[in-house]
Amino acid sequence: DVKVTQSSRYLVKRTGEKVFLECVQDMDHENMFWYRQDPGLGLRLIYFSYDVKMKEKGDIPEGYSVSREKKERFSLILESASTNQTSMYLCASRAGGPLHFGNGTRLTVT
Amino acid sequence: ELKVEQNPLFLSMQEGKNYTIYCNYSTTSDRLYWYRQDPGKSLESLFVLLSNGAVKQEGRLMASLDTKARLSTLHITAAVHDLSATYFCAVGVLTGTASKLTFGTGTRLQVTL
Repeated sequence: DVKVTQSSRYLVKRTGEKVFLECVQDMDHENMFWYRQDPGLGLRLIYFSYDVKMKEKGDIPEGYSVSREKKERFSLILESASTNQTSMYLCASRAGGPLHFGNGTRLTVT
Repeated sequence: ELKVEQNPLFLSMQEGKNYTIYCNYSTTSDRLYWYRQDPGKSLESLFVLLSNGAVKQEGRLMASLDTKARLSTLHITAAVHDLSATYFCAVGVLTGTASKLTFGTGTRLQVTL
C-alpha cells in the first residue's frame, strides 16, 4: 500500500511566522501535490511537482512556495503565515492513477 | 479555467432509498475520479473512470461517465448508514508535463436510520 506521511497532524503558528509542512511518500511516485481544504470550497490545488526540483503552480499559489529536493519528499512553505491560511492541508502523490493522500495537517494561524 | 460542479452539496436520505450525485465539468478530460472522505479522515479513492460510457460498481455505489455531456454520476442503491461521508469528484487535465486533478466542492451524504 502507498503510504503518504505528513509530519504534523496539528500546527498552531503566529501571523508572520515562516511555516514548513513536510510530506513523504514511499512508493517512488513522480508526481506530488499540495491541496488545501476549506468548508464549502472543496480541495484547491496550491502547487504540484512532477519530478525532483520541478514544480508548477496550481490554482492558488499566492503566499506559498514549495521545495522538492528528493523524489520522496515535497515541502510546502508559507513564507509569512497569515490568518487566511488557516486551513487543512493535504499532500498527495500518484504515479498516473488516482491520488494517494496523507492524513492532512490542520494549520491554525493566530 | 476548469470548473467542476457537484450537486447536491448536501444530501440527507433514509436507509434503503436510492439517489444520485452529479458531477459536471467544463472542459475536455479523459479521466474522472470519485473519492470518499469520512469526518476527520483523509480522502480514499473509490473509482477511476477512463473513457466515455465507463461504468464502475462497488457494493451499493455505481459511477458512470459521459464525456460528451461532461457529466459523471455516482448512484447510491439502497443506502445504508455506513455510506454517510463526503463524496468528491475530481477531473484530470494534462497541463504541460503532468496531469493535475481539479476537485468538486463535495457532496455531504447523511444516511439516516
